[in-house]
Amino acid sequence: DQQVKQNSPSLSVQEGRISILNCDYTNSMFDYFLWYKKYPAEGPTFLISISSIKDKNEDGRFTVFLNKSAKHLSLHIVPSQPGDSAVYFCAASAADTDKLIFGTGTRLQVFP
Amino acid sequence: GAGVSQSPSNKVTEKGKDVELRCDPISGHTALYWYRQSLGQGLEFLIYFQGNSAPDKSGLPSDRFSAERTGGSVSTLTIQRTQQEDSAVYLCASSLVRHSTGELFFGEGSRLTVL
Repeated sequence: DQQVKQNSPSLSVQEGRISILNCDYTNSMFDYFLWYKKYPAEGPTFLISISSIKDKNEDGRFTVFLNKSAKHLSLHIVPSQPGDSAVYFCAASAADTDKLIFGTGTRLQVFP
Repeated sequence: GAGVSQSPSNKVTEKGKDVELRCDPISGHTALYWYRQSLGQGLEFLIYFQGNSAPDKSGLPSDRFSAERTGGSVSTLTIQRTQQEDSAVYLCASSLVRHSTGELFFGEGSRLTVL
């Protein structure tokens, strides 16, 4: 049972344009959501997070949107840069557990 | 070092052998996690240690898998009688407090290949 789903395995975007990565979840108990970025042969690194009491969190070029009614969140990167090319993982957790549940990842490629 | 350190970075073993994977978390981090990433899959939770509390082992896929954390610091993940489906990248992460108030810091992973 995949509680966190990233239905797009890959995304290709031109440099300077907006990248939108999507994530859906099924567990209504999730109250905290995070995005991690992973380069090849490296461990994932934290990018941005959002609490369920908010619907938007912005950090520089990165913005995460949360739609609780749709159980959907998205990561917007604008403008996209070639260095953003990586695999992006969505993750979620519930207040009564310490486990982060990760999605399967979306490989973003930003081309010049 | 300043980050989470894992060893070995690569391990090739024969089916049926036992393997041990080591994780050195960031100093002072009380929470330690093991995840694995199989080819084409997401990050699968395996086990979680928090301070002196009993570990959450709910993600361990079988009784061939075990983990311990000595002295609240270094952790070892042991896989007995390895099978080909155990081939994956095993990632360790630590955090200062519960992840919900701070992100996880991951190591570079140990790539396990079972022939």
